[in-house]
Amino acid sequence: AQSVTQLGSHVSVSEGALVLLRCNYSSSVPPYLFWYVQYPNQGLQLLLKYTSAATLVKGINGFEAEFKKSETSFHLTKPSAHMSDAAEYFCAVSAYNNNDMRFGAGTRLTVKP
Amino acid sequence: EAGVAQSPRYKIIEKRQSVAFWCNPISGHATLYWYQQILGQGPKLLIQFQNNGVVDDSQLPKDRFSAERLKGVDSTLKIQPAKLEDSAVYLCASSLFQDRGDSPLHFGNGTRLTVT
Repeated sequence: AQSVTQLGSHVSVSEGALVLLRCNYSSSVPPYLFWYVQYPNQGLQLLLKYTSAATLVKGINGFEAEFKKSETSFHLTKPSAHMSDAAEYFCAVSAYNNNDMRFGAGTRLTVKP
Repeated sequence: EAGVAQSPRYKIIEKRQSVAFWCNPISGHATLYWYQQILGQGPKLLIQFQNNGVVDDSQLPKDRFSAERLKGVDSTLKIQPAKLEDSAVYLCASSLFQDRGDSPLHFGNGTRLTVT
């Protein structure tokens, strides 16, 4: 069964600094990987997804993630943080033939002025 | 397109009472999910429907939780009787495909349940 582990429950950066949120996956078959963002009192919104077409995936709001099979990682980055990026971020995984999506515990991103 | 609709947004009940949540998925989405999100944790899958059939309910506490999806569209999730540890946000999501792992989930805004 597939699973993901998010390293760091809280990440704090200054506005304009690099954002790096870590996610490692475990899967017995090639996975599909996703990053979702959750703002307070809202549901989850898709940021980006990896489906094996390209290892570097670009998403909305300037975020991108790189799939590294050798490291079983799918870290989320953004070159310059904005105050509006403050939210909870979730990494998720599903198998190629079954949309049974499993989520990590989440990383809360705080952006300091 | 209209998103996933959930109601109510908030619910406060006492332990041992019953409660029901409602979800209307995106039109045309065959797959519907209920997730439980406890504060500070990631969403945990409770049940997955494909049309009106259950695909996976292995993590649903069936002694107190039940869910149905009549006519393959709307769905209700019920808890009876509620326990304190059921306090959480209940998220409904829908997806276009069940047998394709690259089909993203679309989430509603959730129902925040507080059990006192």
